Amino acid sequence: ETGVTQTPRHLVMGMTNKKSLKCEQHLGHNAMYWYKQSAKKPLELMFVYSLEERVENNSVPSRFSPECPNSSHLFLHLHTLQPEDSALYLCASSQELLDGSYEQYFGPGTRLTVT
Amino acid sequence: AQSVTQPDIHITVSEGASLELRCNYSYGATPYLFWYVQSPGQGLQLLLKYFSGDTLVQGIKGFEAEFKRSQSSFNLRKPSVHWSDAAEYFCAVGATGANNLFFGTGTRLTVIP
Repeated sequence: ETGVTQTPRHLVMGMTNKKSLKCEQHLGHNAMYWYKQSAKKPLELMFVYSLEERVENNSVPSRFSPECPNSSHLFLHLHTLQPEDSALYLCASSQELLDGSYEQYFGPGTRLTVT
Repeated sequence: AQSVTQPDIHITVSEGASLELRCNYSYGATPYLFWYVQSPGQGLQLLLKYFSGDTLVQGIKGFEAEFKRSQSSFNLRKPSVHWSDAAEYFCAVGATGANNLFFGTGTRLTVIP
């Protein structure tokens, strides 16, 4: 049990649908992340929030819209997705440690299929 | 720029045999390095981390990794593999004070009886 939960675990949506992915962390961390994991590709960092402010957006298409209402919750709003957006979406959280490093803790992911 | 290379896409070992998964990194400053494991349908679980000090670090589930600065490597090892170790393993590198990590493409481990 990692202390990071994601819902739903599986999602099938049409290209015209609007849906949201939810992530919640119970670790008291102050940074949260969205990653996309596709087959045979490295993990792609999509968004980083630190202290509820977005600090990094790696040129993600606007059909993905993140929201971080507080340090424990992170959402990824989806609209007009494409089939190539089908992937495992992972949420992670972290806190800066005394040595200056960040250990990221991951949720189980949401398997998204776009039809 | 930071990058991580895991040269082995897929490795098969027999249960009870030893294991070494390779990781090479590229980073200008002193990095901190991680190994994560991902079981099917699950998120990534942290196995171990290196930042400074002893170059041989111990992790969970009997894994260890050795940092070799001269070779820019951080290979993961286990002396005796169990069937439950079958999973995907990811190496990652980060920088001090930076909260993002760079991941390799992963190595899938198959364990045969």
